[in-house]
Amino acid sequence: KAGVTQTPRYLIKTRGQQVTLSCSPISGHRSVSWYQQTPGQGLQFLFEYFSETQRNKGNFPGRFSGRQFSNSRSEMNVSTLELGDSALYLCASSIAEGGEQYFGPGTRLTVT
Amino acid sequence: AQSVTQLGSHVSVSEGALVLLRCNYSSSVPPYLFWYVQYPNQGLQLLLKYTSAATLVKGINGFEAEFKKSETSFHLTKPSAHMSDAAEYFCAVSDGRGGADGLTFGKGTHLIIQP
Repeated sequence: KAGVTQTPRYLIKTRGQQVTLSCSPISGHRSVSWYQQTPGQGLQFLFEYFSETQRNKGNFPGRFSGRQFSNSRSEMNVSTLELGDSALYLCASSIAEGGEQYFGPGTRLTVT
Repeated sequence: AQSVTQLGSHVSVSEGALVLLRCNYSSSVPPYLFWYVQYPNQGLQLLLKYTSAATLVKGINGFEAEFKKSETSFHLTKPSAHMSDAAEYFCAVSDGRGGADGLTFGKGTHLIIQP
């Protein structure tokens, strides 16, 4: 069974631009969560989606948004990029809400 | 609210020596506890998890962890370190209610293996 895939793996954007990251969960998994990982703040929860609905949201500004499609694939969008948004963005999927999470390799976003 | 504290941002051990990575948690409800490993430029891989069954949990790659409620600890151990164990290790807690705020992670411990 294929694991969680994230595209692109690496991304360089300019401050003020917007970016969309994609996550394809493991087949059969209906829950997708997103995390931001930075050296200073560590791993922080962004949001969780289940059955196309956002179930939970972390403490991030409204510039961070996401959605989930009927096939459980998820995207997250960051608008008006700031230098501090440079991070590794990890996606994780699980069969159900709160279930064991399986992480993808992440998307490394660099904002210049 | 829940939180995780990992003692020691860096731990260095010799190859063949005991590995001990410390994790203390706080949770208002019986917790679900996890250890994840992250190799450079990769995502997180689950090593083991505690979900209120046996207090001694065995995971992959020879790692195990013991849940001690009285000490609110979930330390990770491995009897004999191998060079391939060098990585970043994260302890995490979940209230298990359905991902109200996802997993709460510790800051991580970088494990260094000396030859």
